[in-house]
Amino acid sequence: AQSVTQLGSHVSVSEGALVLLRCNYSSSVPPYLFWYVQYPNQGLQLLLKYTSAATLVKGINGFEAEFKKSETSFHLTKPSAHMSDAAEYFCAVSGVSGNTGKLIFGQGTTLQVKP
Amino acid sequence: KAGVTQTPRYLIKTRGQQVTLSCSPISGHRSVSWYQQTPGQGLQFLFEYFSETQRNKGNFPGRFSGRQFSNSRSEMNVSTLELGDSALYLCASSLVGSGQGLSGNTIYFGEGSWLTVV
Repeated sequence: AQSVTQLGSHVSVSEGALVLLRCNYSSSVPPYLFWYVQYPNQGLQLLLKYTSAATLVKGINGFEAEFKKSETSFHLTKPSAHMSDAAEYFCAVSGVSGNTGKLIFGQGTTLQVKP
Repeated sequence: KAGVTQTPRYLIKTRGQQVTLSCSPISGHRSVSWYQQTPGQGLQFLFEYFSETQRNKGNFPGRFSGRQFSNSRSEMNVSTLELGDSALYLCASSLVGSGQGLSGNTIYFGEGSWLTVV
């Protein structure tokens, strides 16, 4: 079975500070991993995805994530937080084969950015 | 290219009623998935359709059903509504299974349909 755990339901940073959102996964097969962002009253927007091509994945809005198999982690980072980054972030793993529209999500992390 | 479109955006229903939600995927996408999002349970997978066939199913009661049409548009239906069905229902589409391989497995979400059951 596959699962995703996001450590910390709420993360607060100051504007300009490093953003680090943690995600650990469990998968019996090579995982396909995703980070999505959700702004209030909106759907999910894809930030980035890992599909085994490269362990360091760069996404939109300055975000990146590093796949670490030994740690079963896929943490999301951004060097300098902006007020507009305040949102809820979800880590997800794709279905068993990867070739599916089924995603298993973590519980989400709400990012607060303080001025 | 237009994104995933869901209708209606907001609706209020009474317990015991049924509801139908509609989703139009991105042009060319043949896989459509549905998710339920609630504060308590988070994002949960309902089902996936591909080429008019249900390919995956989540752990929801039979009151939740869906279908996909030949143009890839999809509907989901919830019968005998309960208060706990109040949620944001998200539709997502992707190219998976359409010859794109795993590189095509980018899943795009719509804005969602907010359902309130009273």
